[in-house]
Amino acid sequence: DGGITQSPKYLFRKEGQNVTLSCEQNLNHDAMYWYRQDPGQGLRLIYYSQIVNDFQKGDIAEGYSVSREKKESFPLTVTSAQKNPTAFYLCASSIYGQGSQPQHFGDGTRLSIL
Amino acid sequence: SQQGEEDPQALSIQEGENATMNCSYKTSINNLQWYRQNSGRGLVHLILIRSNEREKHSGRLRVTLDTSKKSSSLLITASRAADTASYFCASHASGGSYIPTFGRGTSLIVHP
Repeated sequence: DGGITQSPKYLFRKEGQNVTLSCEQNLNHDAMYWYRQDPGQGLRLIYYSQIVNDFQKGDIAEGYSVSREKKESFPLTVTSAQKNPTAFYLCASSIYGQGSQPQHFGDGTRLSIL
Repeated sequence: SQQGEEDPQALSIQEGENATMNCSYKTSINNLQWYRQNSGRGLVHLILIRSNEREKHSGRLRVTLDTSKKSSSLLITASRAADTASYFCASHASGGSYIPTFGRGTSLIVHP
């Protein structure tokens, strides 16, 4: 079955530590996205990528970094510069192109501060 | 920035009743999509309505779009306890952007 896999499901970060959230898809989608979701809030876009080796900042990129070395993979690093990292992080993918395709989501990673 | 805003923020109904959620957006759109999120899970795409469509059905779901009012509604008929979830609208602005803008969502609780 095709889909998006996020790991780990739960992650704890210590003060001053960088942590990396994994996102893998086997849907052959070109576009991938990272969102942050806080309680009672909608989704806020962190980074997105249309193609391998290219990515753009979203609305709240500060304190985060990404890479897109493979079409299937789009890991997100939450750096120590992100002072309020506790949130639910969602990865999504879609077919890239005009007309705006539906996004497919993973089941998220919940990040907490130790 | 948030373009879509759902209303109400929370909705509590009894099984068998209909549930209506509304979404407003600010700029011209290519299409608007509705997603569902069960607690602690990712979003699941429900239905897409294009800017030149006024109504669309999928099973017990009915979506309407009023571009003159920049609003959309999602109706779930004969609701079930399993419909308990948060529902989000996501609008795609016209002009070629493929990045959707999500609203804050409506939390629906259906009591058995």
